[in-house]
Amino acid sequence: EPEVTQTPSHQVTQMGQEVILRCVPISNHLYFYWYRQILGQKVEFLVSFYNNEISEKSEIFDDQFSVERPDGSNFTLKIRSTKLEDSAMYFCASRRDTEIYGYTFGSGTRLTVV
Amino acid sequence: AQKVTQAQTEISVVEKEDVTLDCVYETRDTTYYLFWYKQPPSGELVFLIRRNSFDEQNEISGRYSWNFQKSTSSFNFTITASQVVDSAVYFCALAETQGGSEKLVFGKGMKLTVNP
Repeated sequence: EPEVTQTPSHQVTQMGQEVILRCVPISNHLYFYWYRQILGQKVEFLVSFYNNEISEKSEIFDDQFSVERPDGSNFTLKIRSTKLEDSAMYFCASRRDTEIYGYTFGSGTRLTVV
Repeated sequence: AQKVTQAQTEISVVEKEDVTLDCVYETRDTTYYLFWYKQPPSGELVFLIRRNSFDEQNEISGRYSWNFQKSTSSFNFTITASQVVDSAVYFCALAETQGGSEKLVFGKGMKLTVNP
């Protein structure tokens, strides 16, 4: 069964450093998402991406965050200057156009900012 | 605005007991989708079910069953004869179809512990 692949599974970074989280969505999917889950809390929507541009973003997704689909297969989330409160699990998801709600989530990247 | 409420935060049962996880939602849309996800200790989100707002039929899948009632805006999930492997955090989620990117809004989750 096709999977959404996220790398790395766990990343530790120092406060103030830039970090890039990588995702490889399912190949025929057209809509891409990032969600965040602070430890012990609910999963929160960050941003959606379609047709090479952001279609919606949440209040959490401020100027520190950016997304990119640099080469047609990867979908990345960049945090420019990490803060302690950015420590969380970050989930990538994708879906096809014809299966509007056929969301497939990746297994997540646990980001720890120290 | 969308809202999903999972009033129970944590439940502990003994193996073979039945357990029901409650989910109440709020939406102004007439067309929407409801989901349940399981998050085991390893952290990934495991898709369990999706239901659209026009389909109120209850569903059974093995030991899992779901009761969707639009009249009470609820989408409850029952595990019959629970097993230790059911121990996880369970999330209910809602997606609206109009005017957005069909993002999912999650409830706070309910931690289920099944003891042997």
